[in-house]
Amino acid sequence: GESVGLHLPTLSVQEGDNSIINCAYSNSASDYFIWYKQESGKGPQFIIDIRSNMDKRQGQRVTVLLNKTVKHLSLQIAATQPGDSAVYFCAEADMRFGAGTRLTVKP
Amino acid sequence: GAVVSQHPSRVICKSGTSVKIECRSLDFQATTMFWYRQFPKQSLMLMATSNEGSKATYEQGVEKDKFLINHASLTLSTLTVTSAHPEDSSFYICSASYGTGELFFGEGSRLTVL
Repeated sequence: GESVGLHLPTLSVQEGDNSIINCAYSNSASDYFIWYKQESGKGPQFIIDIRSNMDKRQGQRVTVLLNKTVKHLSLQIAATQPGDSAVYFCAEADMRFGAGTRLTVKP
Repeated sequence: GAVVSQHPSRVICKSGTSVKIECRSLDFQATTMFWYRQFPKQSLMLMATSNEGSKATYEQGVEKDKFLINHASLTLSTLTVTSAHPEDSSFYICSASYGTGELFFGEGSRLTVL
């Protein structure tokens, strides 16, 4: 999840659909990952985390999947709602953020 | 939940002046604080990591004399943008941790340098 100042990719979904947001990381030694949600003009908010000894972790309407083989994380949001519209970032234990994905939920 | 407060939320200054941004952990002691910079429609760029009572560790490419970071107590870290110029205009965000790995973020400070 090394941030290099790239412009954000976007994902647009219909309200009620499931959303999947992906993140690739580069450090194979990373042992802790966090997903954050950032609404416009605000600081990021914690959504869910996962340690490297797990492949999957579930929260309320969110699930994080970790594939250490290909160094890939995904965040799944079930029954996406308009309030889920935001930018989503993954971060590694070193607190560096990935490029982020802008999720837009259409009513 | 843990609360981190940033002040000011918005600041406009003239080119050449210095601006100080405060980051406070309100209900916990932050062993480590992080400062980020975010340009519009871009990700957060980690600028520096600061531990209470010690010098901040700056990321490559971040000028430590330009962005002065002080972490004088377990609840306060400050970022001073010295001799600010228009290219320093950005959204500056701090976060704090008390060792669990989870970060608690401030609401950010939007700096506009005229």
